[in-house]
Amino acid sequence: DQQVKQNSPSLSVQEGRISILNCDYTNSMFDYFLWYKKYPAEGPTFLISISSIKDKNEDGRFTVFLNKSAKHLSLHIVPSQPGDSAVYFCAARGNAGNMLTFGGGTRLMVKP
Amino acid sequence: GAVVSQHPSWVICKSGTSVKIECRSLDFQATTMFWYRQFPKQSLMLMATSNEGSKATYEQGVEKDKFLINHASLTLSTLTVTSAHPEDSSFYICAQGGLSYNEQFFGPGTRLTVL
Repeated sequence: DQQVKQNSPSLSVQEGRISILNCDYTNSMFDYFLWYKKYPAEGPTFLISISSIKDKNEDGRFTVFLNKSAKHLSLHIVPSQPGDSAVYFCAARGNAGNMLTFGGGTRLMVKP
Repeated sequence: GAVVSQHPSWVICKSGTSVKIECRSLDFQATTMFWYRQFPKQSLMLMATSNEGSKATYEQGVEKDKFLINHASLTLSTLTVTSAHPEDSSFYICAQGGLSYNEQFFGPGTRLTVL
């Protein structure tokens, strides 16, 4: 049973446009959500996070939105750059510890 | 964020051998380390959580006798894949629990290929 799902395995966007990556979860006990970026053969790097008490967090070109009632979060990247091309994982943390549950990932391709 | 290193970055071994993967925290002490496995085009799957000085906690379905985890010091955790078989071929990544316990900082990963 996948508690965190990223239904789009891939996304292609033109440089300069907005990239929107989506993530859905089922466990209402999750209280903290994170986005990680991963290049091939490398470990994931932390990108941005949001607490369940907020509905938006912004950091430069990256904004994460959280809709608790819909159990949905999204990552917006604007403007998208070719260097953003990578696999993006959303992750959720339960309030019982700092264990993370990851989604399946979405491969973003930003075309020049 | 924290700096985490892994060694080796890539290992190829024959079936039946044991492989040790080291995960080091380079800039601060890590009381908790997480070990993940990622198969091609799949998500990161948590294998186990190790705490310094105590036994690791394994996720359901992960054989503790096959994947030995040692976290003997605050800067080093090791994962040993014992009697490796081709189906153990995967990308193994460790992560250090952040001070805030919100983020995890990942190592660069180790690609294991078992022939």
